[in-house]
Amino acid sequence: QQQVKQSPQSLIVQKGGISIINCAYENTAFDYFPWYQQFPGKGPALLIAIRPDVSEKKEGRFTISFNKSAKQFSLHIMDSQPGDSATYFCAASMLGGAGSYQLTFGKGTKLSVIP
Amino acid sequence: DGGITQSPKYLFRKEGQNVTLSCEQNLNHDAMYWYRQDPGQGLRLIYYSQIVNDFQKGDIAEGYSVSREKKESFPLTVTSAQKNPTAFYLCASSPGSDTQYFGPGTRLTVL
Repeated sequence: QQQVKQSPQSLIVQKGGISIINCAYENTAFDYFPWYQQFPGKGPALLIAIRPDVSEKKEGRFTISFNKSAKQFSLHIMDSQPGDSATYFCAASMLGGAGSYQLTFGKGTKLSVIP
Repeated sequence: DGGITQSPKYLFRKEGQNVTLSCEQNLNHDAMYWYRQDPGQGLRLIYYSQIVNDFQKGDIAEGYSVSREKKESFPLTVTSAQKNPTAFYLCASSPGSDTQYFGPGTRLTVL
């Protein structure tokens, strides 16, 4: 059972445009929602994260919008640049066994920003 | 230079062999994790450890084993029982919060 659904699978955006990636979750026990950016052959890097008591969080060109009632959250990349071309993963965290937090990941979105 | 290191970067295994992937962190993080990444599949949790000498199975632990003898180290062994081991393996650590930080990964290929 996939607990975090991410869409689209791939996205092509023109330079300067807005990139939007959406995620939906099912388990209301999730209480932390990070986004990771991954370049080919590298490990994922934490980009931005939000908790469900906040509806929006902005860091530079990156914004997370969170809709608790709909169990959905999205990443917006403003003024997209070719250097933003990467795979983006949403995730959701909850406290699991042995007192450790566990992340459940979406399947990723490959973003290509074309000049 | 703080962070998470994984070695080797590339690893080739013959069928029937066990191989061990290294993960070391000098961030003084309590929790460590191993994930497997396949194209189009996201990241799937193999094993995790909250403290030294204790670890728990994740979603896809079959064919893998781990140890946690030191806080800084969490090696993963891919055994011959793992039927499809070719993948990108990622180690992560956490200071005990819900934020995880990833290493650079090891790409394992079965010949």
